Amino acid sequence: KAGVTQTPRYLIKTRGQQVTLSCSPISGHRSVSWYQQTPGQGLQFLFEYFSETQRNKGNFPGRFSGRQFSNSRSEMNVSTLELGDSALYLCASSLAGGYQPQHFGDGTRLSIL
Amino acid sequence: GIQVEQSPPDLILQEGANSTLRCNFSDSVNNLQWFHQNPWGQLINLFYIPSGTKQNGRLSATTVATERYSLLYISSSQTTDSGVYFCAVDVDNFNKFYFGSGTKLNVKP
Repeated sequence: KAGVTQTPRYLIKTRGQQVTLSCSPISGHRSVSWYQQTPGQGLQFLFEYFSETQRNKGNFPGRFSGRQFSNSRSEMNVSTLELGDSALYLCASSLAGGYQPQHFGDGTRLSIL
Repeated sequence: GIQVEQSPPDLILQEGANSTLRCNFSDSVNNLQWFHQNPWGQLINLFYIPSGTKQNGRLSATTVATERYSLLYISSSQTTDSGVYFCAVDVDNFNKFYFGSGTKLNVKP
C-alpha cells in the first residue's frame, strides 16, 4: 500500500511569489492535515480537511490556504511568499477523522530567497 | 491552546543503553501519538496511545491520561534510533495535533 505522497520534494521561490504544494493520502484515508515545521517554531498545525471540508485551521495568516478534492487529494497554497515561510511542509493522512493514527509524507522543503 | 512539554530536550546514549522520554500535557486529550523524525526529516508514527500501554519490539509507551503524561521507553538502543522523538496530542478529535518541541536522541556506537 503506497504511503502519503507529497510533491514536489524541494522548491525554491523568491519573495512575493506564490506556491502550491500537493499531497496524495494513503488510499482510503479521507482526513488530510498540513503542518509547517521550522527550527524556531517547531511543528505547527495549518489546517485539516475531511470530505472536502476544512474542519480546523491553525493560527496562520490568510496567505495560507488549502483545499481537498473528491478523491481526498489535497493542495495547499501560499501567496505573497515571505522569507519566514521557508520551512518543511508536512502532510498527514488518516482514516475517518478521530481516534486514528496519522501517517506523514516525506514533506516539501520550501526555501524562499 | 494546550501545552505539550517534552523532556529531556537532548539525550546522548551509548549503543545498548535504555532510555525513557517523557511528555506532559496541560489538558485532557482524545488522542496522543509518538513520532520519530529521522535525520532525513521523515516523521514515522510509533504509537497511537491515548491511554494504557503498548509495546512494539524494543519500544514501548505508556499514557496515564488522568495524570496528563505519557512515557516512551527505548530499550537496547541502536544507532538507527537517533533522531528526534515527538509527542503530539489532539483535544477535539478533529486531527488538530499540538506537538511538543521534541527530544533529540543521539545514539553513539
